[in-house]
Amino acid sequence: AQSVTQLDSQVPVFEEAPVELRCNYSSSVSVYLFWYVQYPNQGLQLLLKYLSGSTLVKGINGFEAEFNKSQTSFHLRKPSVHISDTAEYFCAVSRSSNTGKLIFGQGTTLQVKP
Amino acid sequence: DSGVTQTPKHLITATGQRVTLRCSPRSGDLSVYWYQQSLDQGLQFLIQYYNGEERAKGNILERFSAQQFPDLHSELNLSSLELGDSALYFCASSAQGEGFTDTQYFGPGTRLTVL
Repeated sequence: AQSVTQLDSQVPVFEEAPVELRCNYSSSVSVYLFWYVQYPNQGLQLLLKYLSGSTLVKGINGFEAEFNKSQTSFHLRKPSVHISDTAEYFCAVSRSSNTGKLIFGQGTTLQVKP
Repeated sequence: DSGVTQTPKHLITATGQRVTLRCSPRSGDLSVYWYQQSLDQGLQFLIQYYNGEERAKGNILERFSAQQFPDLHSELNLSSLELGDSALYFCASSAQGEGFTDTQYFGPGTRLTVL
């Protein structure tokens, strides 16, 4: 069975500071990794995904994530956050199968303060 | 705007009742997914349809059922509702339905409240 653990439920940070949202996964097979963002009262939007190749993945809105196979991690980073980045962030995995089933972590609330 | 539409936006009903949630995928997308988001369970995959056929099943209760119609819209039917079914139900769509190549586009969700 595979699972996703987001290590922090809430991350408060000041505007223009760097941030890292942590995600660890467990799986006995190859996985594909995703970060989604959910703004208040909205659906989820894909930030970035890792399928293969370079372990550093760049996404939208200045976010990037690094896939670390030995540590089974896929942490999300941004060098300088804005108030508008305040949202819930979800890490998700998908197995290498012919389905699109996503397993989500519990989510991390990023609170950007002025 | 993701291009995925869900109706209704809000639904309030009583225990024991039956409701139907509707989802229209993005134009051209063949695959539809249903997810449930609740405070205690988080975001959970329920079921996936691809071009009218069930492709994958998750933690979907027997009281729940879904289908995808020839025009590719999908409906999620929830029956014998319980208080614990109160949640946000998301629909997502993707072009083909393979997790490692497709991007899933999420609708705004239907908030179900069971009283």
